[in-house]
Amino acid sequence: GAVVSQHPSWVICKSGTSVKIECRSLDFQATTMFWYRQFPKQSLMLMATSNEGSKATYEQGVEKDKFLINHASLTLSTLTVTSAHPEDSSFYICSASPRQGREETQYFGPGTRLLVL
Amino acid sequence: DQQVKQNSPSLSVQEGRISILNCDYTNSMFDYFLWYKKYPAEGPTFLISISSIKDKNEDGRFTVFLNKSAKHLSLHIVPSQPGDSAVYFCAASARNYGQNFVFGPGTRLSVLP
Repeated sequence: GAVVSQHPSWVICKSGTSVKIECRSLDFQATTMFWYRQFPKQSLMLMATSNEGSKATYEQGVEKDKFLINHASLTLSTLTVTSAHPEDSSFYICSASPRQGREETQYFGPGTRLLVL
Repeated sequence: DQQVKQNSPSLSVQEGRISILNCDYTNSMFDYFLWYKKYPAEGPTFLISISSIKDKNEDGRFTVFLNKSAKHLSLHIVPSQPGDSAVYFCAASARNYGQNFVFGPGTRLSVLP
């Protein structure tokens, strides 16, 4: 159990277009979902935390108008990269915490690789 | 089903003793493994990695052991320090097949002074 999926797994887009990435918890309800971006040296930067039915909490330095996060249900959160630019090219990973699990238990999705030309 | 498992949700260790965090995987294609450390309200930071051609990699107080036949890896922290208290995630990837990382659910380590 505890599977999180992401779609698409990779995407190539032109500069200026918007890209939507979906994160789904397949067999559990996730009250909280997290969005990360992977940087060189493999560390993951927390971009935002989203709770179902409320606005996402963005980390300092993350533009909320550029990275739109919607957590519309207990099993789905979306990240939309608006007006993407080459510097947005990266690996984006989501994770989800189960409703009745430990607060620190996070199940990670497989990630989405974004390349902006 | 989860391909990377960390069966211990939490672990408590006395300061100065050894902490051993375990991780099991099911996909025999995995050839690269990493450990991440995560503090509250922060993203996981890379700690140490190991390629499948090795069975041990050491970096200061941190050593990762890989047992390919058992599909098991472990992270040893010696000596454990209170600052090591965090959640540790194990991750694996099949680099030769171009696959992204698969993360385990994490183990919370508490190092008691």
